[in-house]
Amino acid sequence: AQKVTQAQTEISVVEKEDVTLDCVYETRDTTYYLFWYKQPPSGELVFLIRRNSFDEQNEISGRYSWNFQKSTSSFNFTITASQVVDSAVYFCALSEARSGGSNYKLTFGKGTLLTVNP
Amino acid sequence: DTEVTQTPKHLVMGMTNKKSLKCEQHMGHRAMYWYKQKAKKPPELMFVYSYEKLSINESVPSRFSPECPNSSLLNLHLHALQPEDSALYLCASSSRTGMNTEAFFGQGTRLTVV
Repeated sequence: AQKVTQAQTEISVVEKEDVTLDCVYETRDTTYYLFWYKQPPSGELVFLIRRNSFDEQNEISGRYSWNFQKSTSSFNFTITASQVVDSAVYFCALSEARSGGSNYKLTFGKGTLLTVNP
Repeated sequence: DTEVTQTPKHLVMGMTNKKSLKCEQHMGHRAMYWYKQKAKKPPELMFVYSYEKLSINESVPSRFSPECPNSSLLNLHLHALQPEDSALYLCASSSRTGMNTEAFFGQGTRLTVV
């Protein structure tokens, strides 16, 4: 069984602070994918990044960066110089093959509510 | 156009009503999904359509009935719902159903069953 843990339920920061959202996962598969999605108050989930299990390179995209460490089964997300518009719920998710078939299942963590105050 | 459009945005229905949620995408995606999200919880997968055929039903009660009339449209027909079915219903699409495929989500329909 797969599991995604986002231990931080809520985080509150002041604008321009850096913030790291933690994600720890469990899987028995050697091939899997990890995702981060952002859910602003408007409701839609917005895709941020995908990382496969064989690529441990960190990635930076503007103020966003991701640190994937297979040794600790973690895929953490850092926002540098946070802005009010970053306020949202952030979900980490794990995709792996469903047992017995060719379909795949995306399992979400419980999400972290980030509030950036002006 | 990278939008998934869901209608209506809000819906209040009685337990004896029949209603439908609609979802539309014009990105040429061949996989479409329905998710249910309760407040302060992550989305839970309900159904997956691949090339207009139902490929995954996550043991959803029969009072929820999905339909995929064509590659751009996905409906969710609701009948005899319970108050505990009140939630945000999200539609999503992706270019395929592969493990590495990101999904594009609509803004959801906020359903209240009274």
